[in-house]
Amino acid sequence: EVQLVESGGGLVQPGRSLKLSCLASGFTFSNYGMNWIRQAPGKGLEWVASISSSSSYIYYADTVKGRFTISRDNAKNTLYLQMTSLRSEDTALYYCARQNYGSYRYFDFWGPGTMVTVSS
Amino acid sequence: EIVLTQSPTTTAASPGEKVTITCLASSSVSNMYWYQQKSGASPKLLIYSTSSLASGVPDRFSGSGSGTSYSLTINTMEAEDAATYYCQQWSSNPPTFGAGTKLELK
Repeated sequence: EVQLVESGGGLVQPGRSLKLSCLASGFTFSNYGMNWIRQAPGKGLEWVASISSSSSYIYYADTVKGRFTISRDNAKNTLYLQMTSLRSEDTALYYCARQNYGSYRYFDFWGPGTMVTVSS
Repeated sequence: EIVLTQSPTTTAASPGEKVTITCLASSSVSNMYWYQQKSGASPKLLIYSTSSLASGVPDRFSGSGSGTSYSLTINTMEAEDAATYYCQQWSSNPPTFGAGTKLELK
């Protein structure tokens, strides 16, 4: 069974940093591209970042480029999101999502999410 | 960036009723994907590659469309279908989502 479990969320002051993790199980993690997608309270879904299976290709949303860094450790089956210079508008539930294997790009499994609140 | 516009924003349906949600893209996309998000839960893949049902999805759901116009149809509404539905494209970067359609049980 595919499982994605995010952790590392919490309350953080504006301008500070936070690192999220996503532990994957139930599939060969090193074969799949992975993504972070966020959802502000009461709002819709916003893609944040993606990383290919071997970390060769990395993309970011313009809203986080230069502040967030996505990375992965295939030996530990873990995806990361290092977030710096956090702003109030980064407050959201952050989901880890697996990208479909193949030429069609979509998100076939999602974790339950970890909440990040940026507030003084 | 390709903008996806969903309609309606909210709607309500009685059990057995047919429901259609549309998603218009600001530029042509090759495929559309649909997700269902129930209250307090993470999104779940519903339809991939415009019209293929994800594993375990009841066949009362269907998807269609091409170019800039796509739709999700629930043939006969059931109580468990009350949720918010999102369309998504990744024909070009960045991947984008529609704003969502909230479907309520009447």
